[in-house]
Amino acid sequence: DAGVIQSPRHEVTEMGQEVTLRCKPISGHNSLFWYRQTMMRGLELLIYFNNNVPIDDSGMPEDRFSAKMPNASFSTLKIQPSEPRDSAVYFCASIPRDRPYNEQFFGPGTRLTVL
Amino acid sequence: AQSVAQPEDQVNVAEGNPLTVKCTYSVSGNPYLFWYVQYPNRGLQFLLKYITGDNLVKGSYGFEAEFNKSQTSFHLKKPSALVSDSALYFCAVSEDTGRRALTFGSGTRLQVQP
Repeated sequence: DAGVIQSPRHEVTEMGQEVTLRCKPISGHNSLFWYRQTMMRGLELLIYFNNNVPIDDSGMPEDRFSAKMPNASFSTLKIQPSEPRDSAVYFCASIPRDRPYNEQFFGPGTRLTVL
Repeated sequence: AQSVAQPEDQVNVAEGNPLTVKCTYSVSGNPYLFWYVQYPNRGLQFLLKYITGDNLVKGSYGFEAEFNKSQTSFHLKKPSALVSDSALYFCAVSEDTGRRALTFGSGTRLQVQP
């Protein structure tokens, strides 16, 4: 299995631009998570989906952020408009079933820089 | 609410010596505890987890962790450190009630000196 796939791996954009991050979970996994990692705040959960339905989006920072999972093999995290404080590494992770004892499989991350 | 504390930002140890990375947690229900490792410019990799049963859990690369319910701790250990163990280590917790997603600690950087 190829593991969790994220694209792009690096993104540099200017303030005000729209940014779309993409994630393909491991085939057969039913739950998908988006995290953000920064030096100041560490690793924080943004949103997670189970069977393509958003379950917990309490970590989404504000309305500029939105996430979708149109099917079991694809999810997007969109920031519009982007701001310099959004600069971070964004990780996607998946698990086979929505059970709290299942370990998560992480993608390599997307490093976002907003100038 | 769930929380995880990793009291040490960095742990330094000489190669061949035992290492311990500390973690304490707080949950409302029964905890499920995890350790992940992150190498530079990489995603997190799962090391081990505690669900139930034996308090000593063995995982990848010779790591183990001890669950202590009374002290609400889940410290990561290895009998003999390798230089290649140098990385960022995260403790995480979830539970079977309330919020089911993982909550991560702030991370501990392990530096193993040759």
